[in-house]
Amino acid sequence: DTEVTQTPKHLVMGMTNKKSLKCEQHMGHRAMYWYKQKAKKPPELMFVYSYEKLSINESVPSRFSPECPNSSLLNLHLHALQPEDSALYLCASSPYPGSDTEAFFGQGTRLTVV
Amino acid sequence: EDQVTQSPEALRLQEGESSSLNCSYTVSGLRGLFWYRQDPGKGPEFLFTLYSAGEEKEKERLKATLTKKESFLHITAPKPEDSATYLCAVQAENSGYALNFGKGTSLLVTP
Repeated sequence: DTEVTQTPKHLVMGMTNKKSLKCEQHMGHRAMYWYKQKAKKPPELMFVYSYEKLSINESVPSRFSPECPNSSLLNLHLHALQPEDSALYLCASSPYPGSDTEAFFGQGTRLTVV
Repeated sequence: EDQVTQSPEALRLQEGESSSLNCSYTVSGLRGLFWYRQDPGKGPEFLFTLYSAGEEKEKERLKATLTKKESFLHITAPKPEDSATYLCAVQAENSGYALNFGKGTSLLVTP
């Protein structure tokens, strides 16, 4: 199983809503990532979890709150988002932190903030 | 500051017309250079990792090469199903775990 599964695939939320994005992998990877990708732009790193601990936060606004309940799951909690936060949110995993092997990406959650 | 520049931004090829995509980079200590393919609305799909100058890797119609300043993705006799955006990313020794992506090359292969 070389899959990273993200749910939901699409999400539309209002600026006052609270929602969560979920990511799951069963490859035994110990590093997990959240990326944000705007249309026709490359992915931009948001957070890195290393052995279930947050190790990198790329100055992301507090309206985005990551959580790693266990080594297979990664959540991104969303609250009071702005329309400019609309994007494709990608989860990725790699075997271990600092790994120079490939990161496997999920299919993404297409988020629209209205 | 680490930089990754891909060219061209867009490329249109006839089926069977071979070509190359370029990824030039400046990084303080390269740990690895990655090539991904991304279809619209999907997550990036891993293609290759290159670690040192002179290294080459092949997969079907694709071949990736690496020098100290740039990488090329050669596409031999492309087919319409090769149409996608090809992303190059570098991982620097001092960047922790982050992949720094270029803006990508959008490839369209017409029958």
